[in-house]
Amino acid sequence: AQSVTQLDSQVPVFEEAPVELRCNYSSSVSVYLFWYVQYPNQGLQLLLKYLSGSTLVKGINGFEAEFNKSQTSFHLRKPSVHISDTAEYFCAVSDLTQGGSEKLVFGKGTKLTVNP
Amino acid sequence: DVKVTQSSRYLVKRTGEKVFLECVQDMDHENMFWYRQDPGLGLRLIYFSYDVKMKEKGDIPEGYSVSREKKERFSLILESASTNQTSMYLCASSDLGAGWETQYFGPGTRLLVL
Repeated sequence: AQSVTQLDSQVPVFEEAPVELRCNYSSSVSVYLFWYVQYPNQGLQLLLKYLSGSTLVKGINGFEAEFNKSQTSFHLRKPSVHISDTAEYFCAVSDLTQGGSEKLVFGKGTKLTVNP
Repeated sequence: DVKVTQSSRYLVKRTGEKVFLECVQDMDHENMFWYRQDPGLGLRLIYFSYDVKMKEKGDIPEGYSVSREKKERFSLILESASTNQTSMYLCASSDLGAGWETQYFGPGTRLLVL
């Protein structure tokens, strides 16, 4: 079964600093990859997704992620964070080789705290 | 804009009570999901439904059941609530056709079982 590892449970950064949130998934032939964000007291919303094509994916709010098949990674980056980026970020994978590929497997989340 | 609504934001119940959590989506999506979110554990799939009256167990179905009598509505049922079911419950929906891979989430129901 597919699994997702988010290597950092908490990431504190200062405003305007760059940030990288790391995500690794267990090996599979074909996967779709996602990053979702959860702001305090809200549900999750999609930040970006990798389905195929270019390995660099751009999402909302200035975030981007790079799919690296050889390292089975999908790290999320932003060159300059804002206080409003404070949230919990979830990496998720959909395994296309398994039946029911509409199901997502989520990582445990990374809490990003942006300090002034 | 897709909208997924959940009947309550906060709920307090007693051990042994039967609890219903309701979820409604307005985009005619075929797929609907119930997740449980706990600190340090991320989201875990309880059940999902790919059509009316169709359901499939997720990773942690024990102690839960679901009902989908209408396409837009997916209910999570705790037959006899226990304190270890205190959690945040998130509902989501997704389409069957183009864009099937994107799930849309409701705001969540925070359930406290005393």
